[in-house]
Formats: sequence, C-alpha cells, structure tokens
Amino acid sequence: EIVLTQSPGTLSLSPGERATLSCRASQSVSSNYLAWYQQKPGQAPRVLIYGASSRATGIPDRFSGSGSGTDFTLTISRLEPEDFAVYYCQQYGSSPLFTFGPGTKVAIK
Amino acid sequence: QVQLQESGPGLVKPSETLSLTCTVSGGSFGSSGHYWGWIRQPPGKGLEWIGSIYYSGTTYYNPSLKSRVTISEDTSKNQVSLKLNSVTAADTAVYYCARWSSGLYAFFDYWGQGMLVTVSS
Repeated sequence: EIVLTQSPGTLSLSPGERATLSCRASQSVSSNYLAWYQQKPGQAPRVLIYGASSRATGIPDRFSGSGSGTDFTLTISRLEPEDFAVYYCQQYGSSPLFTFGPGTKVAIK
Repeated sequence: QVQLQESGPGLVKPSETLSLTCTVSGGSFGSSGHYWGWIRQPPGKGLEWIGSIYYSGTTYYNPSLKSRVTISEDTSKNQVSLKLNSVTAADTAVYYCARWSSGLYAFFDYWGQGMLVTVSS
C-alpha cells in the first residue's frame, strides 16, 4: 500500500500570504495519478489539481501543483479568505486503488 | 451537470448492515468511462476509499473492507448501492458517493453532499 504523508498538519497564515503544502508518498506515484482536493466544513471535497499539476475546471490560477515521484506540492500563491480549509492529496494505482493523505489544515493566523 | 445524492438510514445498530443508495442525475450514468463509488470520512478524520463499480458491473474494493462490502448498480434507476455488513462504531462516518472517470488521470470529479451514518444501539 502506498502511504501518503502530508505536512505540515496545520499551516497558520494570513490572507495574501503564500501557502506551500507537501505530500510525500512511501513509493513512487505516477504524476498522472496524483490529485489535490479542498474540503470546507460540512462540504464534500472538491478537486483542485489532477495529474499533479493540471487545474480542474473553474479553479483559480492562484492554485498550482508540482512534483513527481514521491514528492508533490500544492501552492496557493496568495491566500483568499475562502481558501482557509483542509487540503488532501490522493493517489491512484496501488492496492488499495485510491489512498488519501491525512490532510493539511490551512488556518487563519 | 452531474449530480449525486446519497440516501439511506442515518442510524444503524452494531452488527447490522449499513445500506446506502446514490442516485445520479445529469446523464452520464451507464455510459462507458465512468466509475461510481463510495468514500467515507469518520468525524474529524480523513478520507477512505471504500470501493467503486464500473458501468459494466466490474467492482473494485478496498482490501481493508472487501470482506464486508458489496457495491452494486441499478442502471434502470441510475443508482449505485453500498452494503457494509457487521458494522461497528468504527464505521460511523460521512459516506460520500463519488465519480471517477477512466482515462489518462484518476481522480474524483463529482461528489455527493455526503450522508452521516452513525452506528449505535
């Protein structure tokens, strides 16, 4: 099983600041099969990034993804008030087919 | 626009079977290239993929739950169902229905709003 580790667990930042979230895999993951989700309280997750670096439909360009192999990064260039949420990475391809990281909470400082 | 809606009992007794239904609207159910499945999230915790079903009926399960899970579809009703037997308090979670599309990438592009299921006597 590929285990995804996300860091930090909580990121305390102010609006306008840059957020850098890390997702590390216990084994190499195909870039095509790494996605990032945002989840707000009481809501279902929504996909932000797929294929490690492709923005999903309607996602603002302040969100960007990068990385390959075992190290992936989600960057929010300038935090807007609506960006404070929990972010999960997800991989596909190893049994179980899908696994998620434990999440990073981006909190208002 | 694809929409998914979960339904079913919100309270299940320990050792019994949890049964949920996901109704899909928006036209893509039954067409090739889409997988429909279930993901759960215990209160305050992360996401766990339970399993998915392809339009052809092929199923894929998380090995950690495989012995207790059955996912099926009713194409005439545009519905996907989840059955999880022998539940315990550890199965208390919000259960989401979600779609994954085959192709170059693999991610869940449409989600239901989620349904909290509590396992308690």
